[in-house]
Amino acid sequence: KQEVTQIPAALSVPEGENLVLNCSFTDSAIYNLQWFRQDPGKGLTSLLLIQSSQREQTSGRLNASLDKSSGRSTLYIAASQPGDSATYLCAVKGGANSKLTFGKGITLSVRP
Amino acid sequence: DARVTQTPRHKVTEMGQEVTMRCQPILGHNTVFWYRQTMMQGLELLAYFRNRAPLDDSGMPKDRFSAEMPDATLATLKIQPSEPRDSAVYFCASGLSTGTGDEKLFFGSGTQLSVL
Repeated sequence: KQEVTQIPAALSVPEGENLVLNCSFTDSAIYNLQWFRQDPGKGLTSLLLIQSSQREQTSGRLNASLDKSSGRSTLYIAASQPGDSATYLCAVKGGANSKLTFGKGITLSVRP
Repeated sequence: DARVTQTPRHKVTEMGQEVTMRCQPILGHNTVFWYRQTMMQGLELLAYFRNRAPLDDSGMPKDRFSAEMPDATLATLKIQPSEPRDSAVYFCASGLSTGTGDEKLFFGSGTQLSVL
């Protein structure tokens, strides 16, 4: 059974800092991995999707990397801003028709 | 601005009562998912539909939960009878599947359910 872990559960950083959010998964046979953002009281918003054959994806100040063999992914946020404060979840998919298995998320607080 | 609409946003009910949650997926999307989110368990998939057909409801307690799509514009999740342990946020998400497994999911704002 796939398990997705995100540690730490919470993180507080000063504005402007570059930061890395970690995600690990137990079964390296994944189809794709996604990073989501969740604001308080809201649903999830998809940020980046990495295919199993890819190493990274970039969108603006966000960069997600994938190392399947070690069962790890990182989300890099450059020049963090208070508006980046949210919970970030990663999710992996085992096959094209498989369900997404989510981590519990990392709650990020960026202090002005 | 297309979005997934869920109603009600909040629901407080007493144990044993029936609860119905509704979801309007984004027009044109062919997949609908129901998730439950709790602090302890995180996000759990309850049910998954493609082209209105249920594909996976293995995560749903069958004795009390049921999920349906009466038409392409409406998905429902019912709990009967509800129990305090059902208290959670229930999310609906929709996407456009092309068979590649890479569809982007769009989530609603959720239904916060409290069963007393």
